Order: sequence, then C-alpha cells, then structure tokens
Amino acid sequence: EIVMTQSPATLSVSPGERATLSCRASLTVSSKLAWYQQKPGQAPRLLIYGASTRATGIPARFSGSGSGTDFTLTISSLQSEDFAVYFCQQYNNWPPLTFGGGTKVEIK
Amino acid sequence: EVQLLESGGGLEEPGGSLRLSCAASGFTFSNYAMSWVRQAPGKGLEWVSTISGSGGTTNYADSVKGRFTISRDNSKNTLYLQMNNLRAEDTAVYYCAKTGGIHWGFDYWGQGTLVTV
Repeated sequence: EIVMTQSPATLSVSPGERATLSCRASLTVSSKLAWYQQKPGQAPRLLIYGASTRATGIPARFSGSGSGTDFTLTISSLQSEDFAVYFCQQYNNWPPLTFGGGTKVEIK
Repeated sequence: EVQLLESGGGLEEPGGSLRLSCAASGFTFSNYAMSWVRQAPGKGLEWVSTISGSGGTTNYADSVKGRFTISRDNSKNTLYLQMNNLRAEDTAVYYCAKTGGIHWGFDYWGQGTLVTV
C-alpha cells in the first residue's frame, strides 16, 4: 500500500498570500496524483489531476507540480473561499486508492 | 449537470446491515467506474470500493473486504453498497464518487450519507 503523507497538518496564511502544501508518497506514483479541497459540511471537490492539470472550473491561482514521490499544491493568492482542508490522492498503484491525511489552511 | 444523490444511511447496531444507493444523472453512467469513499467524523478520506463501468470488476479496501459489496444497475443509473456485519469503525459519511475517465481521481462527488454504527 502506498502511504501518502501531507505537510504541514495546518497552515496559517493571510488573505492574499501564497500557500504551499506538500504531499509525499512512500513509493513513486509517477504523475498519478490528485488534489481535493473540502470545506466544512461539504463533499470534496477535485482541484488537480495528473499532478498538474486543473479540473474543470478551477481558478488559475491553484497549481500543482511534482512527480515521483514529491508533490506540491500552490495557491498563489489566497482568497477567503480558499480556507479549507486539502487532500492529495494517488492512483498509480491500487488497490487501494490512498489519500493523504490532509492539510488545513486557516486564516492567520 | 452531473448529479450524484446518495441515500440509505442511518443508525444501525453492530452486526447489522445497511444498503446505500447513489442515483446518478447528467452523464453516461455505464461509461464510468464509480466508487464509494468514506470519512469518519473529524477524520480524513478513506477509499472503500470501486466498480468498473460494466460492473464486471470490483475492488475493495481490506477493511471492508468480505463484508461490503459494491454493485450497479446501469439501466437505473444507480450505484449500490451493501454493508453487512457492520462495526463501530464503519461509522462515517459515505460518499459516492465518479471517476474521471481519463484518470482515477474523483471528479464528481455526492453530498454524502451518514452511517452510524
């Protein structure tokens, strides 16, 4: 099973600042990685797939990078609606499909 | 517009059974693999099971293998999860999710249904 580790667990950022979230896989997942955003009481929303491709309707301030075992989600200028929990997920080697534990982005 | 609507959650005693349903619309249901993903209260996301578009291939997390069964009725555009021998650790919100087709991420999610054991 590929273990996904996200850091930090909590990220405190001021509106307008850049946020950088990390996701590390225990084995290579090539570029088969997705990122999701989840707000309280809501279902997750797909942001990025293929490590760097934005999903339909996702603003350009969200970008993904990396391959192999190390990945980054960058939010270039945080808006109020971006404060949420973010999860990464690998789909290179499954079952099982595995998620990271999440990073909570909170207002500083 | 893609819509996924789960139902069937509720309170059940340990050892009991529940059947979740997910009604899909807005896309050609039979063309896409579908999955169940759960989230225990205050916790992260856990993949539960995936079924291919035809229904011929299924996969399960070890934590539910032998107790849960995923199925689909493409004539009704509906996904199911039969949950038997429920345990306290199965308590979670269960989401129905559509795979992306060109990738195995989940591009659409239902609103979730709460199962409490």
